[in-house]
Amino acid sequence: KQEVTQIPAALSVPEGENLVLNCSFTDSAIYNLQWFRQDPGKGLTSLLLIQSSQREQTSGRLNASLDKSSGRSTLYIAASQPGDSATYLCAVMDAGGTSYGKLTFGQGTILTVHP
Amino acid sequence: IAGITQAPTSQILAAGRRMTLRCTQDMRHNAMYWYRQDLGLGLRLIHYSNTAGTTGKGEVPDGYSVSRANTDDFPLTLASAVPSQTSVYFCASSLTGDTEAFFGQGTRLTVV
Repeated sequence: KQEVTQIPAALSVPEGENLVLNCSFTDSAIYNLQWFRQDPGKGLTSLLLIQSSQREQTSGRLNASLDKSSGRSTLYIAASQPGDSATYLCAVMDAGGTSYGKLTFGQGTILTVHP
Repeated sequence: IAGITQAPTSQILAAGRRMTLRCTQDMRHNAMYWYRQDLGLGLRLIHYSNTAGTTGKGEVPDGYSVSRANTDDFPLTLASAVPSQTSVYFCASSLTGDTEAFFGQGTRLTVV
């Protein structure tokens, strides 16, 4: 059974810092990996999707990398802002017919960026 | 604005009652999903549908049922609610099973 772990569980940084959130997964046979953001009391907002054949994806100040063989992904946030404060969730979709379309989530990293 | 609409936003329900959570998407996505989010347990898949007319069980399907009569709607029914079904429920969709997933705003359900 796929297990997804996110480290750290919580992170507090001053505004302007560059930071890295980590995600690891136990089974490297995945279709893709997706990073989400969740604000308190809200739904999930998709940030980046990396296909299993890709090494990284970029969107604005966000860069996500994927090392499928080692079961790791990182989300890099450049020049952090208070508006980046949220919970960041990593989710993987396993390869294999019965797993198609199903995401396994990590517990998330709670990020606080203070002015 | 295109997206996923869930209703109700929140609900307090007496144990033993039947409840249907509604989910509608207007993106013409083929695949739809129901997840529940619980503190300390994260998000877990309840049921899914890869295309209209088909459904499947996720990780925690017991006590829940779904139907997919058309592309846009994917209701989740609790036949007889129990307190352990207190949770935040999220509906999601994707164009196909292996593309980017989009989530609704959630339904906060409390079973008392």
